[in-house]
Amino acid sequence: SQTIHQWPATLVQPVGSPLSLECTVEGTSNPNLYWYRQAAGRGLQLLFYSVGIGQISSEVPQNLSASRPQDRQFILSSKKLLLSDSGFYLCAWSPGHGTEQFFGPGTRLTVL
Amino acid sequence: QKEVEQDPGPLSVPEGAIVSLNCTYSNSAFQYFMWYRQYSRKGPELLMYTYSSGNKEDGRFTAQVDKSSKYISLFIRDSQPSDSATYLCAMSGGGTSYGKLTFGQGTILTVHP
Repeated sequence: SQTIHQWPATLVQPVGSPLSLECTVEGTSNPNLYWYRQAAGRGLQLLFYSVGIGQISSEVPQNLSASRPQDRQFILSSKKLLLSDSGFYLCAWSPGHGTEQFFGPGTRLTVL
Repeated sequence: QKEVEQDPGPLSVPEGAIVSLNCTYSNSAFQYFMWYRQYSRKGPELLMYTYSSGNKEDGRFTAQVDKSSKYISLFIRDSQPSDSATYLCAMSGGGTSYGKLTFGQGTILTVHP
């Protein structure tokens, strides 16, 4: 069966510090991978998606970037965090487009 | 106008009640429809996935899709306190959309004993 991991689970960082969140998927190959942010108010906003190694598409201009160095690894980064980057970051995978997505446990980021 | 509209609630029902959760959408390209359940401070959990108009049943849950009206519903029968969570509808289109999901805002449901 497939499993998706995210770490860390929680993170408190000062403004201006760098960020690296990691997501890995087990039990599947060549998944589509997604990063979402969920701010207060519950809506999920798609940040990045990837259909293969090194292939990243950005949905919204922002202070964040994503990379996919391996087939089942997806990384969300920032060089300098802003207060507005606080939120709940969710990684998801799907076996292909037009199919359901499965979410990881999330990382709660607080920028102070 | 948002592409997907979902009443945020909150919705409070007694244990054993039938719950109806609804979303409307405006983008006729949406072909795939999902319902997720999200407990506080957890990732969303997929409950139902469907791609055709009509009903799909799984245990106490029934998903209903009406593409002509651009309307989807989730029914929960014999609701339990453990069903208390936020319920999110999500949908995606075909073609080159790469399965990007568009979510509703979520409905907060509380089932009280």
